[in-house]
Amino acid sequence: QKEVEQDPGPLSVPEGAIVSLNCTYSNSAFQYFMWYRQYSRKGPELLMYTYSSGNKEDGRFTAQVDKSSKYISLFIRDSQPSDSATYLCAMKSGGSYIPTFGRGTSLIVHP
Amino acid sequence: EAGVVQSPRYKIIEKKQPVAFWCNPISGHNTLYWYLQNLGQGPELLIRYENEEAVDDSQLPKDRFSAERLKGVDSTLKIQPAELGDSAVYLCASSLSPGGHTEAFFGQGTRLTVV
Repeated sequence: QKEVEQDPGPLSVPEGAIVSLNCTYSNSAFQYFMWYRQYSRKGPELLMYTYSSGNKEDGRFTAQVDKSSKYISLFIRDSQPSDSATYLCAMKSGGSYIPTFGRGTSLIVHP
Repeated sequence: EAGVVQSPRYKIIEKKQPVAFWCNPISGHNTLYWYLQNLGQGPELLIRYENEEAVDDSQLPKDRFSAERLKGVDSTLKIQPAELGDSAVYLCASSLSPGGHTEAFFGQGTRLTVV
């Protein structure tokens, strides 16, 4: 079993929908949680960075961490075709410099 | 300000041939990373540099892969000889420092195809 599990999708939604992307993990030492967006043939770019359990909001994006369940989520409100990309979760422990990435979920938002 | 610059963007080589990738990090970033990303997978670390020093290279297949970061700025990653299984995207990233709160910025990657 991988340390970080993420459904690869693809997830196809109509424009304007609320999108929920999720990851589960097994390493209870993970303290830092990140979401990256990766467009086709581009490098990943950091979207959200959270440290503790709870919610963090940034515009249309909300990151949610539930450490008790070892479960993190990224919600996208009012999704747009420009949100079509692969979303990678990543996490690391306090003593590690290197995040462990999920395999990414492919999101398609159709007009 | 320019982001992380990688070249070439694409490379096709025959197996057993050598290949090299180049990375120019964001100015002032002391930490540089090389990642491997296979199709449908997340990035996996190959090597991390703090200035000129390789401080985390446990995942680098040292029989065929080598890397250097002269003067603590640009870096090159080399494969010799390349194998079919090396076909992947090689990503370079940089950050100000390696700490848990600093963001790593990725380049666009070099897509390698070994035929």
